[in-house]
Amino acid sequence: QITLKESGPTLVKPTQTLTLTCTFSGFSLSTSGVGVGWIRQPPGKALEWLALIYWNDDKRYSPSLKSRLTITKDTSKNQVVLTMTNMDPVDTATYYCTHRPSSGWYVQYWGQGTLVTVSS
Amino acid sequence: SYVLTQPPSVSVAPGQTARITCGGNNIGSKSVHWYQQKPGQAPVLVVYDDSDRPSGIPERFSGSNSGNTATLTISRVKAGDEADYYCQVWDSSSDHPNWVFGGGTKLTVL
Repeated sequence: QITLKESGPTLVKPTQTLTLTCTFSGFSLSTSGVGVGWIRQPPGKALEWLALIYWNDDKRYSPSLKSRLTITKDTSKNQVVLTMTNMDPVDTATYYCTHRPSSGWYVQYWGQGTLVTVSS
Repeated sequence: SYVLTQPPSVSVAPGQTARITCGGNNIGSKSVHWYQQKPGQAPVLVVYDDSDRPSGIPERFSGSNSGNTATLTISRVKAGDEADYYCQVWDSSSDHPNWVFGGGTKLTVL
């Protein structure tokens, strides 16, 4: 059974850096083709893809947010970390950790999500 | 960048068929995936690669994709199908490949 769980602060101040950790189980990020990524959803709005890291450490970022994002993995701990710099109130959203299967360009499994509020 | 366009809302009576569209330039050349999201919950994959269903998804959910429009069809709609639905593609056509989501469609069961 594949599970993913997000952890990190629920409140950050404007200009601060957000660090979110995804801890997963039921699969290995060493398996060829597998990826773990992040998607966010502002309250009442649509889903927005942020970043994805592959089993081979290849990384992909949303073009509009690329300068602010960094994604890394620790395969031994089954964790993926996303950092987003220079947070702004418009970044207030639920952040989801996601699993990409080895043979598809879609999200097969989602974490429960964590709501991050940006406010002074 | 690639844009996916969905109608904001679709309404249907129980037992009828709901069709939710996703428009994009030559979307028929891409693989389209669909997610269902109920209030307060994470999205769930209901159709992938245009028309395949994950294990556990009822046969009432089906998909098609051709030309500039992909469609999610829900047959014999039930009250429990009321949710937001999002289409998604992998856009590899630009210099910066990325995952693209539509704006979402709220399905209301009358």
